[in-house]
Formats: sequence, C-alpha cells, structure tokens
Amino acid sequence: GAGVSQSPSNKVTEKGKDVELRCDPISGHTALYWYRQSLGQGLEFLIYFQGNSAPDKSGLPSDRFSAERTGGSVSTLTIQRTQQEDSAVYLCASSLFFTGTGPYEQYFGPGTRLTVT
Amino acid sequence: GNSVTQMEGPVTLSEEAFLTINCTYTATGYPSLFWYVQYPGEGLQLLLKATKADDKGSNKGFEATYRKETTSFHLEKGSVQVSDSAVYFCALSENTGNQFYFGTGTSLTVIP
Repeated sequence: GAGVSQSPSNKVTEKGKDVELRCDPISGHTALYWYRQSLGQGLEFLIYFQGNSAPDKSGLPSDRFSAERTGGSVSTLTIQRTQQEDSAVYLCASSLFFTGTGPYEQYFGPGTRLTVT
Repeated sequence: GNSVTQMEGPVTLSEEAFLTINCTYTATGYPSLFWYVQYPGEGLQLLLKATKADDKGSNKGFEATYRKETTSFHLEKGSVQVSDSAVYFCALSENTGNQFYFGTGTSLTVIP
C-alpha cells in the first residue's frame, strides 16, 4: 500500500477484555515494529519482526501482550485481560530489512488509540 | 546498552527564534542517528539522519551534526516558524541490526 495503515484508529474497551490491533505495512517492507506511546511519554519499543519471526520480544510489558505476523505482511498485536495502564497509542512502523549498508528509515502508521475503562 | 537522552520540554519559542534541542546517546557500536517529528494529529515522520561521525543531516531548515566525541546529535534551526510546532524525537539504530531506540520526545510550540 501507499503507507502503513493501522486499525482500528480508536478502541475503547472495558477492563479485562481482550483487544486486537492490526498493522498493515508498506508492501515489500520485511521489518515491522510495534511501539507504545503513553501520554507524556516517549516511544516504548515493544517488539519487532523480520519476516514472520520476532527475534526481539524483550519489550513486551507482560505475558498479556503477544504479537504475530503472517505471510510477511500484516501483524496483529493482542492484549489479553486489558488493564487501565494499557491505555496508550500503539504505533506500528515498517522498513526495509537491514542488509549491511545501514539501517533504513522507519515509516510509521497513524496509530491506534486504546482506552481501557 | 543503547539509549537516547533528549532535553525535556515543553519548549516555547517566538517565531523567528533560534532553536536547539539537545540529544545525547549511548551506544555499544557505531550507530546511525535520526530525528523524527510528529506534527499534531499526524504520525511520526523522518526529519533528518546521519549515518557516521561528522555527518550533518539537514531538512526543512533543520540541521544536526553527528558528534562522536561528545556523543551528541543536537537539532538546530536558525529561525522557527509556527508550522514547526510539533514533538521531536531523537533516535539511534546500530549499524548491525534493525533495533531502534527513541528518546522521550521534546514538545515545541512556536508562537506568532
């Protein structure tokens, strides 16, 4: 596609419910990243994928968070048993995969604003 | 480990004032350095980058020089405009992989 898209743009959910956030990267971008941006905070790295595998899951805040990527394209971030502290904007970015000539620019989606009530 | 530290905001300037947003980094190798900007209601977008020491990145009147001796990548603009009001993020990525590290962001408001 023309850019990184994310859905939904806004999600309001009750505490304890599960949510799924979707990211559709730029076609041909093999690297995909998830970040969380809380109010007044910077970007918190969550996880990144190269192809369908996630070599670095160290940023996931708890075992309630999981992510998958299928077909080297769309990725889903799932939060189980949501808590109020999960309220944030979840950003997805994609890039070409590093090939030894330096890291490529990340292209960001518009984000999903999650509110847990 | 790798990390980025940038000056805390918010920063408020009058139009045509000089802007500096400080950014320093810690890295185990030889990173590339980036400034991203997030305009109100929009997603993050790359503003400029530098891939090796002494490189200067520039775009839209903004500049930043990769200073290895001071581990810094300060963002500067000689004369800011109201349209520059945004949140600015400094970031680094090691030249051996795909992990990016972002600073906490600095909010800039330019008043007429």
